[in-house]
Amino acid sequence: QKEVEQDPGPLSVPEGAIVSLNCTYSNSAFQYFMWYRQYSRKGPELLMYTYSSGNKEDGRFTAQVDKSSKYISLFIRDSQPSDSATYLCAMSVGGGFKTIFGAGTRLFVKA
Amino acid sequence: GAVVSQHPSRVICKSGTSVKIECRSLDFQATTMFWYRQFPKQSLMLMATSNEGSKATYEQGVEKDKFLINHASLTLSTLTVTSAHPEDSSFYICSARVGGRDYGYTFGSGTRLTVV
Repeated sequence: QKEVEQDPGPLSVPEGAIVSLNCTYSNSAFQYFMWYRQYSRKGPELLMYTYSSGNKEDGRFTAQVDKSSKYISLFIRDSQPSDSATYLCAMSVGGGFKTIFGAGTRLFVKA
Repeated sequence: GAVVSQHPSRVICKSGTSVKIECRSLDFQATTMFWYRQFPKQSLMLMATSNEGSKATYEQGVEKDKFLINHASLTLSTLTVTSAHPEDSSFYICSARVGGRDYGYTFGSGTRLTVV
């Protein structure tokens, strides 16, 4: 079993839709939860991070962490064609331990 | 914000030659940098962790003699793919930890290596 599981998609939605991206994990010691966005042939860029459980909102993006279920989500409201990219979840125990990445979900937002 | 500059963005080389990829932290000091490899439609695979002034730590299964990493200064880390073969063709990305934080590394823009 992989430490972090993420459905690779692709996920195709119409413009304006609410997008839900998810990851599950097995290591209960993870404390830092991140979402990265990666455009084709580019390096990933950090979108959001959350420490421990709870929700975090930034504009059209909301990150949720449910440690009891070992499940994290990223919601994108009013999705735009420019949101089309691969979204990677990532997790870390902290304290200098390495970050573990999900496989990434490819998202296509159709105009 | 913190920026990591990675060069070249794309390189094509002949089988048997060596290729050097550079990553520079432009506005911060990166004591630790990470090197990843990414295959199409797959996630980032950590190859090695480099610390300034010391030997890199390689992940299991990564050949240290083939993928030479040098982190000679606080702003520069290099990855040299030696005696490259077509199976080494991939997307290589570096990242740096900013300010010692445990979350959210800053990534370079990646290098597409094609070995012919």
